[in-house]
Amino acid sequence: GQSLEQPSEVTAVEGAIVQINCTYQTSGFYGLSWYQQHDGGAPTFLSYNALDGLEETGRFSSFLSRSDSYGYLLLQELQMKDSASYFCAVRDIGGRRALTFGSGTRLQVQP
Amino acid sequence: DVKVTQSSRYLVKRTGEKVFLECVQDMDHENMFWYRQDPGLGLRLIYFSYDVKMKEKGDIPEGYSVSREKKERFSLILESASTNQTSMYLCASSAGTDTQYFGPGTRLTVL
Repeated sequence: GQSLEQPSEVTAVEGAIVQINCTYQTSGFYGLSWYQQHDGGAPTFLSYNALDGLEETGRFSSFLSRSDSYGYLLLQELQMKDSASYFCAVRDIGGRRALTFGSGTRLQVQP
Repeated sequence: DVKVTQSSRYLVKRTGEKVFLECVQDMDHENMFWYRQDPGLGLRLIYFSYDVKMKEKGDIPEGYSVSREKKERFSLILESASTNQTSMYLCASSAGTDTQYFGPGTRLTVL
């Protein structure tokens, strides 16, 4: 099977930079995705990495190292509205077209 | 704009009742998914479908069934609701696998 590990909670202040790590174990791997979910809201797609390296989208960047089975989401210039839960997910390797999600990291941005 | 809708935001049912949760997407996506979300457990895949009348079990299918008679609609059925099925249920759709679009969720309480 597959498993993902990410920290349960991270706290940072407005304007700072925060990194949310995700390590995964799979017997096959296609790519790593990140989703954001505000309290009471639906998860929304943030980014996808299939190849090693950094992908940047505005204040958010996502990194992948396939050799280390590791990735992270980097949030810069934190704003209060970034307070949310962040989930990493891997494409399922059992031949099925589905994602397996981590248990999520709750980010609290403080003033 | 991409849209996934779910039939109810909140639902209260009694133990033993048959429960139908409906999900509709307007993006002509082949793939549709049902997850449940519980605190500390992330999103767990119940069932998914990659074509009309096709369905595959996810990680926690016990106690659930699904129906996909039309491409845009994916229904989750709790044959005989139990208290341990009290949860947030999220529906998603995708064209590929990595970018999933989620509905607003249904918070189901089984008394």
